[in-house]
Amino acid sequence: AQSVTQLGSHVSVSEGALVLLRCNYSSSVPPYLFWYVQYPNQGLQLLLKYTSAATLVKGINGFEAEFKKSETSFHLTKPSAHMSDAAEYFCAVSGYSGNQFYFGTGTSLTVIP
Amino acid sequence: EAGVAQSPRYKIIEKRQSVAFWCNPISGHATLYWYQQILGQGPKLLIQFQNNGVVDDSQLPKDRFSAERLKGVDSTLKIQPAKLEDSAVYLCASSSPGLATDTQYFGPGTRLTVL
Repeated sequence: AQSVTQLGSHVSVSEGALVLLRCNYSSSVPPYLFWYVQYPNQGLQLLLKYTSAATLVKGINGFEAEFKKSETSFHLTKPSAHMSDAAEYFCAVSGYSGNQFYFGTGTSLTVIP
Repeated sequence: EAGVAQSPRYKIIEKRQSVAFWCNPISGHATLYWYQQILGQGPKLLIQFQNNGVVDDSQLPKDRFSAERLKGVDSTLKIQPAKLEDSAVYLCASSSPGLATDTQYFGPGTRLTVL
């Protein structure tokens, strides 16, 4: 069975600072991993996904994540935070069969002007 | 292209009442998902359809929740009878062709309050 753990339910960064949101996965087989963003009163939107190709994945809005098998991690980063990045971020994992899709508990990002 | 449509956006009911939510996926998307998102938690998959067949409903409380996807297009999720703990946002998503690597496209959700 797969699962993901997001460390830190709330993260605050200053505008222009590095954004680092942590996600660790648990899976008996190499998983597929995703980061989704949820803006207030909106549905979730895909930021990026790892599908066993390149371990460094680039997504929309300047975000990227690196799959590290040795650390079972898939942390999300952005070099310079923007006010518009304030949102809820969810890490998710899927197994090979296409079902059993699991989301983490989410990290709320606040950007301080 | 049009996104995933859900209705209603908000619903308030008393406990023990029944409620139904509707979802229309992106045209041509074979896979449809229903999630329950309780405040402060991540979405939990309730049921996954591939066309009009159920792929996974292992986390669906079948004593009170039911879902159908007739003709493999739009879908309804029903709760009967509702409990206080069912208060949540119910999200519908769709993808194509239904692989594990697919991007899921989410609707805006239906916020249910059970009093």
